[in-house]
Amino acid sequence: QVHLVQSGAEVKKPGASVKVSCKISGYSVTELSMHWVRQAPGKEPEWLGGYDAEYGKTIYAQKFQGRVTMTEDTSTDTAHMELSRLRSEDTAVYYCTTWTRLEVQSPFDYWGQGTLVTVSS
Amino acid sequence: DIVMTQSPESLAVSLGERATINCKSSQSVLHSSNSKNYLAWYQQKPGQPPKVLIYWASTRDSGVPDRFSGSGSGTDFTLTISSLQAEDVAVYYCQQYYSQYTFGQGTKLEIK
Repeated sequence: QVHLVQSGAEVKKPGASVKVSCKISGYSVTELSMHWVRQAPGKEPEWLGGYDAEYGKTIYAQKFQGRVTMTEDTSTDTAHMELSRLRSEDTAVYYCTTWTRLEVQSPFDYWGQGTLVTVSS
Repeated sequence: DIVMTQSPESLAVSLGERATINCKSSQSVLHSSNSKNYLAWYQQKPGQPPKVLIYWASTRDSGVPDRFSGSGSGTDFTLTISSLQAEDVAVYYCQQYYSQYTFGQGTKLEIK
């Protein structure tokens, strides 16, 4: 069983950066393909990127290329997502998510509790 | 990007009645190598993350009641709740995982 616990809510000004953390328990981060999804108020979930086991690297949605960076700390089994050059449209709940099925591609079974990022001047 | 389009946007169904939600993808999500449809259905209740109900278009996830079923192939898919229960009130999303990941815009299911 995977348990994901995220860092707390953030309030940022336009143009700033935010870094959200996701502490993993039950598995080591190297055993999982960690992904990040966000959900703006009243909108559908939107995938930002994640680890692609087929290609052995982290891939990002084109929309966020150049603005998002996803990293993993294997010493603490923690995943991080940093989004830069924030604008008001980035206000959303950000989730870390993953699966444990033995599939290279799979829907997301396990989710963190979500981190609200508010971008406001 | 593969665009997922759901219908209807909202749906009101009486308790015990059938609810049907449709999802169409802008291109096929059927993988020729394994004949699997890379299509999942999620349920989301307020203040919670989405929960997987169905994957490979028709496989129920562990613990999901058998009143939930998925069907379809290629570009057209359906989620059916055979007998609506009060706890099924939620927003439902389809998602393709054939090429990266995209979600439909959601269907809000309410009790009539």
